[in-house]
Amino acid sequence: EPEVTQTPSHQVTQMGQEVILRCVPISNHLYFYWYRQILGQKVEFLVSFYNNEISEKSEIFDDQFSVERPDGSNFTLKIRSTKLEDSAMYFCASSEGLAGSDTQYFGPGTRLTVL
Amino acid sequence: AQKVTQAQTEISVVEKEDVTLDCVYETRDTTYYLFWYKQPPSGELVFLIRRNSFDEQNEISGRYSWNFQKSTSSFNFTITASQVVDSAVYFCALKEGGTSYGKLTFGQGTILTVHP
Repeated sequence: EPEVTQTPSHQVTQMGQEVILRCVPISNHLYFYWYRQILGQKVEFLVSFYNNEISEKSEIFDDQFSVERPDGSNFTLKIRSTKLEDSAMYFCASSEGLAGSDTQYFGPGTRLTVL
Repeated sequence: AQKVTQAQTEISVVEKEDVTLDCVYETRDTTYYLFWYKQPPSGELVFLIRRNSFDEQNEISGRYSWNFQKSTSSFNFTITASQVVDSAVYFCALKEGGTSYGKLTFGQGTILTVHP
């Protein structure tokens, strides 16, 4: 069964460093998403992406964040200068994009720890 | 603005008990979609069910059942004869409108612990 994959599973970085989180969405899906979950809290929407453009972004997704589809399979989230409060689990998701009833399927997550 | 409330922070049951997880939502849209996701201890988010706002039929899948009531804006999830493997965090989520790319708004989650 097709699934969303994410690498790395765990990333440790120093405050102020840049990190890139990688995702491979399900191959026939057209919409891609990033969410984050601070430890013990709910899952929060960051950004949605379609046709090489951001469709929607949340207040959390400020200028420190960017997304890119550098090739036909990868979807990346970049954090330019990490802060302590960026420590969280980051989930990538994808959906077919055929209708409003689309289901978003999530990857296993990348746990980002900022020291 | 859309909002999802899962009032039960933690539930603890003994194996074989039935358990219901509550979900109440708020939205101004007439078209919306409700979801349940399971987050086992390993951390991934596993899709369980999607329900459309115009379809109030309840659904049963094995030991799982879902009760959708628009009149009370609730979408509750019942596990019958719970098992230890059901131990996880369960999230209810809402997507508004008819756009394909709509964001999911999650509730706070309910931690379910099933004891042997």
